[in-house]
Amino acid sequence: QQPVQSPQAVILREGEDAVINCSSSKALYSVHWYRQKHGEAPVFLMILLKGGEQKGHEKISASFNEKKQQSSLYLTASQLSYSGTYFCGTERAQGGSEKLVFGKGTKLTVNP
Amino acid sequence: GAVVSQHPSRVICKSGTSVKIECRSLDFQATTMFWYRQFPKQSLMLMATSNEGSKATYEQGVEKDKFLINHASLTLSTLTVTSAHPEDSSFYICSARDGRGGRVQTDTQYFGPGTRLTVL
Repeated sequence: QQPVQSPQAVILREGEDAVINCSSSKALYSVHWYRQKHGEAPVFLMILLKGGEQKGHEKISASFNEKKQQSSLYLTASQLSYSGTYFCGTERAQGGSEKLVFGKGTKLTVNP
Repeated sequence: GAVVSQHPSRVICKSGTSVKIECRSLDFQATTMFWYRQFPKQSLMLMATSNEGSKATYEQGVEKDKFLINHASLTLSTLTVTSAHPEDSSFYICSARDGRGGRVQTDTQYFGPGTRLTVL
């Protein structure tokens, strides 16, 4: 079942903040966040496994709510390099062969 | 670490020919590899999952006789698009995961750079 991402698109000025949400109707095992630039493959940002978990890397962080049905990606003081399409991928269970189901993506544009 | 390569990066072929795309994990062993296709401005759609030494598991609606997947070793998987037609033109991306918790994070899928296929 495909997770729902919102918003579909965001336009920011450099230095502004953004939040991207990813929701599922059922509890998840994990949420994975990726950023994809035009014509390139997705680049892994982070994975969240535990309910209530928060993770961060520089000015990009994410949370996974206690019920493990919703995750948010936070981009703080955005930079031009943050532009791209952000996808969340969700897993319902653990396992090497378990597949990721990706949301439709959120297109982020950061302007000078 | 966690580098996945794909070859070729771009291919243009005539309708009716077959095209093979290679996916390699360069610095880790991939117990599972995934093949996706992506149309412009759309999400990644999983085509199939392959485990080393086993037959691939195809997603509903994906023709297994048209998209042949082989995962003969822990570092290589191939996707062959047989008798390609213009509607097969797309961006094909593989990802690799080490489910045993080796050198890379167990639960993470690492993506290759993608192969853009154009069928004339």
